Amino acid sequence: GENVEQHPSTLSVQEGDSAVIKCTYSDSASNYFPWYKQELGKGPQLIIDIRSNVGEKKDQRIAVTLNKTAKHFSLHITETQPEDSAVYFCAASIWGAQKLVFGQGTRLTINP
Amino acid sequence: GAVVSQHPSRVICKSGTSVKIECRSLDFQATTMFWYRQFPKQSLMLMATSNEGSKATYEQGVEKDKFLINHASLTLSTLTVTSAHPEDSSFYICSAATGGDQPQHFGDGTRLSIL
Repeated sequence: GENVEQHPSTLSVQEGDSAVIKCTYSDSASNYFPWYKQELGKGPQLIIDIRSNVGEKKDQRIAVTLNKTAKHFSLHITETQPEDSAVYFCAASIWGAQKLVFGQGTRLTINP
Repeated sequence: GAVVSQHPSRVICKSGTSVKIECRSLDFQATTMFWYRQFPKQSLMLMATSNEGSKATYEQGVEKDKFLINHASLTLSTLTVTSAHPEDSSFYICSAATGGDQPQHFGDGTRLSIL
């Protein structure tokens, strides 16, 4: 089955700097890769997703890149703000099957 | 849009009690709902997938008689933890999706504590 590895487990950056979180997946059939942000005591919130027919997608300060050949994808957050502090999860699935396999999570801390 | 409401947000009860958790899609019809379990500082682990009007599909290692799932309508799924014990204490989260080409949207979870 699918296995998703996520790094780093913790990340601390200065406010205004960029943050990058990386994930690798094992199943070449996976073609949908969402990223979720989870704040303390809350459920995950979808922040961006990408399908395998594109290599990059951007939404304001957030971008995701996908390398199908290497089977890895990354989340990029620019101009970080304190409210970006949270746990971020990557996931992979086969589009339509909907069953998500999550990475281990990254605790991002933005230092003022 | 795509709001999922989960209730209750927190439950504390005695060992041996059965606990029901509700998951509702408020502004869309969810053909598929998912139930996850999350331990502190860990990732989400899928417990089961339920389609409206069908029996739930449980992941390997999840006891279906222990975790009863009902998805009776396109906006409501329930998870009942039967005869709960302290080891069942966890954060339970549901998600919902409208169909095969739409992303999952999550509720805010239920923190279950069994004394």
